[in-house]
Amino acid sequence: DSGVTQTPKHLITATGQRVTLRCSPRSGDLSVYWYQQSLDQGLQFLIQYYNGEERAKGNILERFSAQQFPDLHSELNLSSLELGDSALYFCASSVQSWGGDTQYFGPGTRLTVL
Amino acid sequence: GQQVMQIPQYQHVQEGEDFTTYCNSSTTLSNIQWYKQRPGGHPVFLIQLVKSGEVKKQKRLTFQFGEAKKNSSLHITATQTTDVGTYFCAGPPNYGGSQGNLIFGKGTKLSVKP
Repeated sequence: DSGVTQTPKHLITATGQRVTLRCSPRSGDLSVYWYQQSLDQGLQFLIQYYNGEERAKGNILERFSAQQFPDLHSELNLSSLELGDSALYFCASSVQSWGGDTQYFGPGTRLTVL
Repeated sequence: GQQVMQIPQYQHVQEGEDFTTYCNSSTTLSNIQWYKQRPGGHPVFLIQLVKSGEVKKQKRLTFQFGEAKKNSSLHITATQTTDVGTYFCAGPPNYGGSQGNLIFGKGTKLSVKP
């Protein structure tokens, strides 16, 4: 158990819909990262928040947005969903915000868009 | 843009055989990290290498960081069925700053036949 929690575990929805994925980082970690993992694909970095502020942005679509709240939990909002958005979405956390930090991953949310 | 490449994509071995996966970055890395993802699981941090030419061992696993800090390898001696999973290497983006995100390779999926 990494100490990172993600809800829900599974999500099935229809095209055009909007969903929210939630992540609670490990106690004491200030950074939260969101990654997308499609079938047989690696981990695509989406976005990072550090202590409530956006710190880095990857290949995140305009239909996707995220935020980190004062209690440091984070939410990833996916809207106007398409079939291709079906994937595993991982949240990870780390203590600080530098490239040498170890990242601790949550169990992931499996999103299926029908 | 900056890329981290891994080969092979898949490796099937007989239990007891050795296994090696290679990681190459298009740019020099300040450090490289290795993660393992078991089937149905989430990535778990294995190790971080920082120094040029560094070699670290964890039981049957040997990790190397190249002299130019652009490549790395993970070697498993005498594989066991518990080694099954996907092994990812990852490094921080070259643009530095205070971003903490990592660029992941696509991973090497290891299967072990008992």
